[in-house]
Amino acid sequence: QSALTQPPSASGSPGQSVTISCTGTSSDVGAYDYVCWYQQYPGKAPKLIIHDVSKRPSGVPDRFSGSKSGNTASLTVSGLQAEDEADYYCSSYADNAFYVFGSGTKVTVL
Amino acid sequence: QVQLQESGPGLVKPSGTLSLSCDVSGGSISTDWWSWARQPPGKGLEWIGEIHESGATAYKPSLRSRVIISMDKSKNQFSLKLRSVTAADTAVYYCAREGKAYVPGDIWGQGTMVTVSS
Repeated sequence: QSALTQPPSASGSPGQSVTISCTGTSSDVGAYDYVCWYQQYPGKAPKLIIHDVSKRPSGVPDRFSGSKSGNTASLTVSGLQAEDEADYYCSSYADNAFYVFGSGTKVTVL
Repeated sequence: QVQLQESGPGLVKPSGTLSLSCDVSGGSISTDWWSWARQPPGKGLEWIGEIHESGATAYKPSLRSRVIISMDKSKNQFSLKLRSVTAADTAVYYCAREGKAYVPGDIWGQGTMVTVSS
């Protein structure tokens, strides 16, 4: 039941790309293609930006993309914009029918 | 569009029971799964559990012994009860709709802060 591991911080200049990793185990990320990514601004509720590893909900810019390899999932934000500065959390469905979230990554746009 | 709103006491005494409700508007609670999550100040998100309109529930294993999630279809709301609370349960509590399969929340409430303190 440990949280998925994410780097505490990531940064990039406007226009650049940043990639955030999310490492789990063979009981969660590695077992299911049910990884989600959320964007959260301070004091606000999380917003779903990626589900099923790489699918974007309607209205989410295609600058956001997701992938997975083994026990690690990744979120890439291309063409960084000032508005992308936020906290990002991954989540995964896990064995025994529950969900686990990542530890969170703060993205800074330099 | 579907909107969710949490409500309940903002302060709970240690060893007491935390009780929150989530009012759903713009849609019926008689579809989908509905979940609760929390976020301690300055920390990450933690999934608590979920309930289906059939009444089926699932909880995070480490919280299972203290949590009950229920649903009142007549009020179009669902609720969270967490007993034997300690300071470690202090957090912003969110309710969410699981409108997509295997997604712990595609639409979230704004969250409500609950502090456990005497």
